[in-house]
Amino acid sequence: DAKTTQPPSMDCAEGRAANLPCNHSTISGNEYVYWYRQIHSQGPQYIIHGLKNNETNEMASLIITEDRKSSTLILPHATLRDTAVYYCIVRAKNTNAGKSTFGDGTTLTVKP
Amino acid sequence: NAGVTQTPKFRVLKTGQSMTLLCAQDMNHEYMYWYRQDPGMGLRLIHYSVGEGTTAKGEVPDGYNVSRLKKQNFLLGLESAAPSQTSVYFCASLQAGQGTPLLTEAFFGQGTRLTVV
Repeated sequence: DAKTTQPPSMDCAEGRAANLPCNHSTISGNEYVYWYRQIHSQGPQYIIHGLKNNETNEMASLIITEDRKSSTLILPHATLRDTAVYYCIVRAKNTNAGKSTFGDGTTLTVKP
Repeated sequence: NAGVTQTPKFRVLKTGQSMTLLCAQDMNHEYMYWYRQDPGMGLRLIHYSVGEGTTAKGEVPDGYNVSRLKKQNFLLGLESAAPSQTSVYFCASLQAGQGTPLLTEAFFGQGTRLTVV
């Protein structure tokens, strides 16, 4: 797996956009970028994934740079319930995905 | 529609005691995993299974054993608990892929908080 680097913590005001960066400079051509989050002691929750195009779903948007060496997860209107640890993971398609390394993630704190 | 269920949710053990954590999934998934998560850290893979009757070591397997006698159940055993095994344990399952990114299909249990004193 490619190694990822995330800031340990970030704050965001409620209602504003939260932009969480992730560096993955050694990513391979067949590796996807996944984002998960973990809300206080619960099991990780899948958010979004992408290969090279920007992606959007009901939870978030994922922006991947053209060289694919970094990406940004965007929560467009953060709420207090979005306070969680966010994990950026890179993993090749059709591999044993459960062996992915979660790393330490970014602790996002959404403040009123 | 239970998904992934872990039993028990909390447990306190004395050093040297043994116990078994149960993970049960009702989605007919092929792959199952056991992770541990220490305070302020990410998940680390202990053992995993790619099918009934098969298991393999993950990143931190020492001190743990596993069994997958039935497809829906994955058991994690601690033969002689140590304080270093105090952690939150998560189980996950996912379906073997057929041309789709597998990690999107991973389902996690709610965790088992284990304290070894």
